[in-house]
Amino acid sequence: GAGVSQSPSNKVTEKGKDVELRCDPISGHTALYWYRQSLGQGLEFLIYFQGNSAPDKSGLPSDRFSAERTGGSVSTLTIQRTQQEDSAVYLCASSHRQGLGKLFFGSGTQLSVL
Amino acid sequence: AQKITQTQPGMFVQEKEAVTLDCTYDTSDQSYGLFWYKQPSSGEMIFLIYQGSYDEQNATEGRYSLNFQKARKSANLVISASQLGDSAMYFCAMRETGNYGQNFVFGPGTRLSVLP
Repeated sequence: GAGVSQSPSNKVTEKGKDVELRCDPISGHTALYWYRQSLGQGLEFLIYFQGNSAPDKSGLPSDRFSAERTGGSVSTLTIQRTQQEDSAVYLCASSHRQGLGKLFFGSGTQLSVL
Repeated sequence: AQKITQTQPGMFVQEKEAVTLDCTYDTSDQSYGLFWYKQPSSGEMIFLIYQGSYDEQNATEGRYSLNFQKARKSANLVISASQLGDSAMYFCAMRETGNYGQNFVFGPGTRLSVLP
């Protein structure tokens, strides 16, 4: 696709359930980032992929959060046993090594945990 | 310690006036990049402007310019001739090479409101 695609755009779940958020980056972009944005707040770094490897997992808030990337392309962020404080917009971004290296963002997944 | 500081949680500007949004950063890298993104109420993140640490000229993109003062570690965004559509959150970000590769850090943002 032409841009970064995230699905679903909205997810409502019950506390304690697991959720999977998907990110399809721009073709050829080797770097992929996940951020979390709570209402009215800034972007909180979660995890970074270079290819299929995640050299920096330092931002994952707890062991309930995990992410993987396959084929150097699609990434999935999984949240197990969701809590109400997990409610936020989850943003994915990708970038290319060359050029400015700027981030191209998806439109995000709005997660609501009831 | 905060890597990116934006000291103005909210700013107001009259339509057609210019406005400066402040950003200071902290890094020990010699090579880094500074970015500004706009986030309107729709939630999308829109790239505005980029400044490389070795760029001697201040970056400009249309009505946006970046006032880069390297010694002061300052990268303020200047928006000239403000328009109502400029009302949004504005985030300053820095790309640096951390232990794990390219690391992007964002500031807390400044909410700009343009008054008619």
